[in-house]
Amino acid sequence: EIVLTQSPATLSLSPGERATLSCRASQSVSSYLAWYQQKPGQAPRLLIYDASNRATGIPARFSGSGSGTDFTLTISSLEPEDFAVYYCQQRSNWRTFGQGTKLEIK
Amino acid sequence: QVQLVQSGAEVKKPGASVKVSCKASGYTFTSYGISWVRQAPGQGLEWMGWISAYNGNTNYAQKLQGRVTMTTDTSTSTAYMELRSLRSDDTAVYYCARDHRDYEDYWGQGTLVTVSS
Repeated sequence: EIVLTQSPATLSLSPGERATLSCRASQSVSSYLAWYQQKPGQAPRLLIYDASNRATGIPARFSGSGSGTDFTLTISSLEPEDFAVYYCQQRSNWRTFGQGTKLEIK
Repeated sequence: QVQLVQSGAEVKKPGASVKVSCKASGYTFTSYGISWVRQAPGQGLEWMGWISAYNGNTNYAQKLQGRVTMTTDTSTSTAYMELRSLRSDDTAVYYCARDHRDYEDYWGQGTLVTVSS
């Protein structure tokens, strides 16, 4: 099973700042990686698929990069609604999720 | 608009089975698969498996093989997930999601399944 490790576990930032979230795979997943956002009491929402493609309706401040084993989700300028938990997911071999990064207001 | 509406919360005893439904609308049901993902209280996401709504092919997470069955009813655009031999660690919110290119692009609202004696 491919293990995805996300860092940091918690990220404390202020609105307007830039957020950088990391996801590392235990073996190469090529570009088969997605990012999801989940707010309390809500279902996850697909943000990025295939490492760098924004899903339908996702604002341009969200961007993804990386390939192989190292991936990054960047939020260029945080809006109040962006504070949530973010998960990465790979689809290279079965499907697994990372443990999540909580993005909280500083 | 794409919508996935799931059945209501369930409380089950250990050893029992549960069957959760997921009714899709707003798209051609047989053109996409349906994935199931669960989330234990306060925990992360766990992918459970996938079913093709086109031909019924399935792919289950190894951890759940033998206890889970996913089916679809194309006449009502509804997917089902049955989990048997329930244990306390199966307590979770269960989500269905539309599968698009092996990613989950639209999600149901979730169904809480509580396993307790």
